[in-house]
Amino acid sequence: QVQLVESGGGVVQPGGSLRLSCAASGFDFNTYSVHWVRQAPGKGLEWVAVISSDGRNRYYLDSGKGRFTISRDNFKNTMSLHMESLTAEDTATYFCVRSHLPFDYFDFWGQGTLVTVSS
Amino acid sequence: DVQMTQSPSTLSASVGDRVTITCRASQSVGKWVAWYHQKPGKAPKLLIFKASSLESGVPSRFSGSGSGTEFTLTITGLQTEDFGFYYCQQYDPYSPELTFGGGTRVEIK
Repeated sequence: QVQLVESGGGVVQPGGSLRLSCAASGFDFNTYSVHWVRQAPGKGLEWVAVISSDGRNRYYLDSGKGRFTISRDNFKNTMSLHMESLTAEDTATYFCVRSHLPFDYFDFWGQGTLVTVSS
Repeated sequence: DVQMTQSPSTLSASVGDRVTITCRASQSVGKWVAWYHQKPGKAPKLLIFKASSLESGVPSRFSGSGSGTEFTLTITGLQTEDFGFYYCQQYDPYSPELTFGGGTRVEIK
């Protein structure tokens, strides 16, 4: 069955860096765009970044430009998000999500990994 | 960026009721709107895409309508398992970002 399993969350100090990973299985990973969508505690959903199926196109939320880098490895069926200069506003559960196109609806979500930015 | 304004923020209804949630876009997004349901502590689940297309496996009591800037999600015959949060999302390919509505909390009376 389709699975998206996130890892890499944890507690990081303000100004620090963190790398999140997403392992995909159960579908043709190299035919889907993959995203990160986050949800701050008790808050709504916020799209963060997307990488196209072939890895050539990447788009970011304005507040993530210059701080976040999304990448993928279609041989290993994995996707990553490297985050730098983290602030308390980045504290959230980060979901790995797939879609058919970069600007599309999300048809399957992982269970998420929690990132806490705190001193 | 396209802003999605969702209303109401909270609603309380009884089993069997007809429930309507509205999402208004700050500019036209055609029919590029999806709806999701999220239960506490769980990942969201797709209900509706392209404004009115029902995702496979989703009960037929869920329906969507609208185009341009006004969209609605209707639950006809609310069930106890329908509690939780509902979010709309626009995915206009001409928009630089994907955006969600603020969410609607549905409580069962």
